[in-house]
Amino acid sequence: AQSVTQPDIHITVSEGASLELRCNYSYGATPYLFWYVQSPGQGLQLLLKYFSGDTLVQGIKGFEAEFKRSQSSFNLRKPSVHWSDAAEYFCAVGANAGNNRKLIWGLGTSLAVNP
Amino acid sequence: DAGVIQSPRHEVTEMGQEVTLRCKPISGHNSLFWYRQTMMRGLELLIYFNNNVPIDDSGMPEDRFSAKMPNASFSTLKIQPSEPRDSAVYFCASTAGDRGWNEQFFGPGTRLTVL
Repeated sequence: AQSVTQPDIHITVSEGASLELRCNYSYGATPYLFWYVQSPGQGLQLLLKYFSGDTLVQGIKGFEAEFKRSQSSFNLRKPSVHWSDAAEYFCAVGANAGNNRKLIWGLGTSLAVNP
Repeated sequence: DAGVIQSPRHEVTEMGQEVTLRCKPISGHNSLFWYRQTMMRGLELLIYFNNNVPIDDSGMPEDRFSAKMPNASFSTLKIQPSEPRDSAVYFCASTAGDRGWNEQFFGPGTRLTVL
């Protein structure tokens, strides 16, 4: 069965430091991978997605992610974190079972940014 | 576009009462998702509609939960009778196309508290 693991429940970084959030997935075929962000008190917003092609994908707000099939990973990165990046980050994989098209979600990583 | 609209934003009720959550998806979107978010279990998909038809309701916790989508612009999630363990934030999301892994647009959520 498909699954998504985000090993880090909570991460704290200093403003201006680099960031990497880990995501590992389990899926038999070529996965459709996503990163969403949830700011406090709000719904989720898509940061970026990978379907095929270039394994390094660029997203909004200066984020990027790299798909590594050999490691079953899709880690999210940002070279310099801003205080406004403090939020909850969710990795998800698109499941494809018959007519069912749904996302399998990780439990999220909470990011805190120190000034 | 107004985005996904959910009402109410907050609901406080007593155990045993009926609760109805409402969602208006983005115009033109034909897939709609109901999620529940708690600290313990993270983001859980409850039910997924495509073209107003329920495709996957395997996440609906029990018979106390029911969801309807009478037309393309409206959906409800009902809990009857409600229990304290139903307290959570409930999100509605919509997407265009038949594939759930197109970008999902989330509403602001309904925070439900069952006393």
